[in-house]
Amino acid sequence: DAGVTQSPTHLIKTRGQQVTLRCSPKSGHDTVSWYQQALGQGPQFIFQYYEEEERQRGNFPDRFSGHQFPNYSSELNVNALLLGDSALYLCASSTRTGHTEAFFGQGTRLTVV
Amino acid sequence: DAKTTQPTSMDCAEGRAANLPCNHSTISGNEYVYWYRQIHSQGPQYIIHGLKNNETNEMASLIITEDRKSSTLILPHATLRDTAVYYCIVRVAGGTSYGKLTFGQGTILTVHP
Repeated sequence: DAGVTQSPTHLIKTRGQQVTLRCSPKSGHDTVSWYQQALGQGPQFIFQYYEEEERQRGNFPDRFSGHQFPNYSSELNVNALLLGDSALYLCASSTRTGHTEAFFGQGTRLTVV
Repeated sequence: DAKTTQPTSMDCAEGRAANLPCNHSTISGNEYVYWYRQIHSQGPQYIIHGLKNNETNEMASLIITEDRKSSTLILPHATLRDTAVYYCIVRVAGGTSYGKLTFGQGTILTVHP
């Protein structure tokens, strides 16, 4: 079992550009949550997807959007990048039923210049 | 989710027990105490959780006070690889709540040789 996989591992973008980050959940998991972690801070919840729809959302602007595919994988899109969007973006997978804990990927390090 | 308070940093000698405290005085009756840790440049890793009874697994022990207003994570024989940021999180268990975690600043545990 490969666990939660995220791609790419590192990314450099220019202010104003758009970026797409990808996440494949752990086998057997149907729910994907995305987090943003600024340097020196704890992860902050962005949103959660299951059944291909956004179900919960944290305090993030509409520039942050996502998608979940039928195979449960997910994408995080950020438009009009700001310097402040530079962070580690983490994906966590879990299940809606049962009592499994959230498993996190290694993250994507996004740098906006 | 109830708010938690943790010391900013702690030190521990290798081979000794590491005791990490967490205050959660506003915890509700249906909220669990969860612990995650994050080793540098990796995603958070689930350690243990409990409701009101003490819990033990292969990684750690969790001691929750009788009034449930505080808890202690115990790493019985700390190793250098236990150096990480440890997060105490309080939340309702079940369903989609597994994916949504509210992280604080956590405790930076440094294990010394």
